[in-house]
Amino acid sequence: SQQGEEDPQALSIQEGENATMNCSYKTSINNLQWYRQNSGRGLVHLILIRSNEREKHSGRLRVTLDTSKKSSSLLITASRAADTASYFCATVLRAAGNKLTFGGGTRVLVKP
Amino acid sequence: EAGVAQSPRYKIIEKRQSVAFWCNPISGHATLYWYQQILGQGPKLLIQFQNNGVVDDSQLPKDRFSAERLKGVDSTLKIQPAKLEDSAVYLCASSSDRKETQYFGPGTRLLVL
Repeated sequence: SQQGEEDPQALSIQEGENATMNCSYKTSINNLQWYRQNSGRGLVHLILIRSNEREKHSGRLRVTLDTSKKSSSLLITASRAADTASYFCATVLRAAGNKLTFGGGTRVLVKP
Repeated sequence: EAGVAQSPRYKIIEKRQSVAFWCNPISGHATLYWYQQILGQGPKLLIQFQNNGVVDDSQLPKDRFSAERLKGVDSTLKIQPAKLEDSAVYLCASSSDRKETQYFGPGTRLLVL
């Protein structure tokens, strides 16, 4: 089944630095969503970007979508120790209802 | 607004035993999902319900897994008999008809020995 692939698989940065992670997918999508998962907890929705959008912001988060390259990026600016988590992209295909297909995630460690 | 509730939070069983997980979605959410998340991987959808009807169960191993959502509210996911490879976190999520965002519960961590 179609799946997003995140890159890098792991990322370690200092507090205050920016963190960028990428997601690539294979087929046309309706929308792409980013989720965060803290250790031992469920997933929390961060942001949704539709196929006709190119960029969205939410607080310190910036998401871009390039449908020609079938890729998306998530930028976390001025990272904090609390941003330490795994970040997943999930795609929703056209005519697939609301079915999310997740990638393998990027594990981000923000060192104080 | 109360979130998605799941129980138990942790379960340890031996292979070939059976286990059941329970999920209570956010009030008013018509769609309920069960995901399996193996360590180090992203969640994989097992089954999706719309009210009490199954929308998608294409990735549910039906020889051992079953799920139901009676009355279109709570749901249970059962594994019988369990295998070692079923060790994972089982996540329940729900969404409303008007929004595409899914809200996840804390998950049930299953260890099969």
